[in-house]
Amino acid sequence: EVQLVQSGAEVKKPGESLKISCKGSGYSFASYWIGWVRQMPGKGLEWMAIIYPGDSDTKYSPSFQGQVTISADKSISTAYLQWSSLKASDTAMYYCARMPGFCSGGSCYRFDYWGQGTLVTVPS
Amino acid sequence: QSALTQPASVSGSPGQSITISCTGTSSDVGGYNYVSWYQQHPGKAPKLMIFDVNKRPSGVSNRFSGSKSGNTASLTISGLQAEDEADYYCSSYTSSTTLAVFGTGTKVTVL
Repeated sequence: EVQLVQSGAEVKKPGESLKISCKGSGYSFASYWIGWVRQMPGKGLEWMAIIYPGDSDTKYSPSFQGQVTISADKSISTAYLQWSSLKASDTAMYYCARMPGFCSGGSCYRFDYWGQGTLVTVPS
Repeated sequence: QSALTQPASVSGSPGQSITISCTGTSSDVGGYNYVSWYQQHPGKAPKLMIFDVNKRPSGVSNRFSGSKSGNTASLTISGLQAEDEADYYCSSYTSSTTLAVFGTGTKVTVL
């Protein structure tokens, strides 16, 4: 059974750094793109970034390029999303999600399995 | 890259059919058959319901169907049930950015 288990909720101060995690199991972690999706309070979903753990190839949405860093450690089947200096506007639920394996081109840009979400709160 | 446009809310009675629209441009919805739909219940992670415009993942009810015409994709829920009450998001591959784009989201209410 494919599972993505995310780290717990975080409350941080503005300016602090943070790294949240997403551990995959039940599939070959290194062989599937995995990504992060932001959902601000009461708002919609936003693609942030994706990574291929096999070779650490990354792609970022322009809105998030330079704002966050996606990484992965295939030896422990875990993906990460990190901030070097949090802002109040980073307050949101963050989901990790896996892209499908047997697909090609634009058809791959969907998420077939999702983590439970990590709530990040940065009080202003 | 702007979000795809969806109606804020759609409602229907049990047993009825409803349709949710998702309007983009020729760079995303209109240019490719790579539209997906997600269902999100309150406090839960999204769930993939439709991909590649009209394909259903294993385990998704056949009451959910997708279609596309021009720059607008649609999700139809037939035989509406109380459990279908949720937020629904479309998503499309886009040539405008390196990743895909989500829609603005639609709240479905079962009356």
